[in-house]
Amino acid sequence: KAGVTQTPRYLIKTRGQQVTLSCSPISGHRSVSWYQQTPGQGLQFLFEYFSETQRNKGNFPGRFSGRQFSNSRSEMNVSTLELGDSALYLCASRVSGDSYNEQFFGPGTRLTVL
Amino acid sequence: AQSVTQLGSHVSVSEGALVLLRCNYSSSVPPYLFWYVQYPNQGLQLLLKYTTGATLVKGINGFEAEFKKSETSFHLTKPSAHMSDAAEYFCAVSGPFNAGGTSYGKLTFGQGTILTVHP
Repeated sequence: KAGVTQTPRYLIKTRGQQVTLSCSPISGHRSVSWYQQTPGQGLQFLFEYFSETQRNKGNFPGRFSGRQFSNSRSEMNVSTLELGDSALYLCASRVSGDSYNEQFFGPGTRLTVL
Repeated sequence: AQSVTQLGSHVSVSEGALVLLRCNYSSSVPPYLFWYVQYPNQGLQLLLKYTTGATLVKGINGFEAEFKKSETSFHLTKPSAHMSDAAEYFCAVSGPFNAGGTSYGKLTFGQGTILTVHP
């Protein structure tokens, strides 16, 4: 079974631009979560989608948004990019919305904002 | 609110030595606990998890962890380190109940411990 895939793997943008990252979960998984990883702040939860509904959101500004499609694929969007948005963005999927189910992570998208 | 503390941002061991990575959590309710490993330029891979039942949990690659409620700890161990174990390790906690929606999909991670293995 294929793992979680994320595209693109690397991205370079300039301040003020917007960016869209894509995540395809493991087949049959309905929950998708997004995380931001930086050297200073570590791994921080962005949001989680389950059956096309955002169920939880981390402490990030409104510039960060996401959505989930009927096939469980998810996208996250960051508008008006800032230098501090440079990070590894990780997507994770799990089979159901229950917290005891482990999350399976993709390889991440490395975003660099210049 | 839940939190995770990993004691020691860097741990260095010799090949064949015991690996001990420390994790303490704070949670108002019994949590679910996870250990993940991250190799350079890769995502996170699950090593093991504790949900309920036996407090000694065995994972992949010879790792195991013991849930100690009285000490609020979930330390990761491996009897004999291998060069391929060199990576960054993350302890994470999630809520067992999605009360108020605050736990949905959210893993709270520790700051990570970089494990170096010397020949």
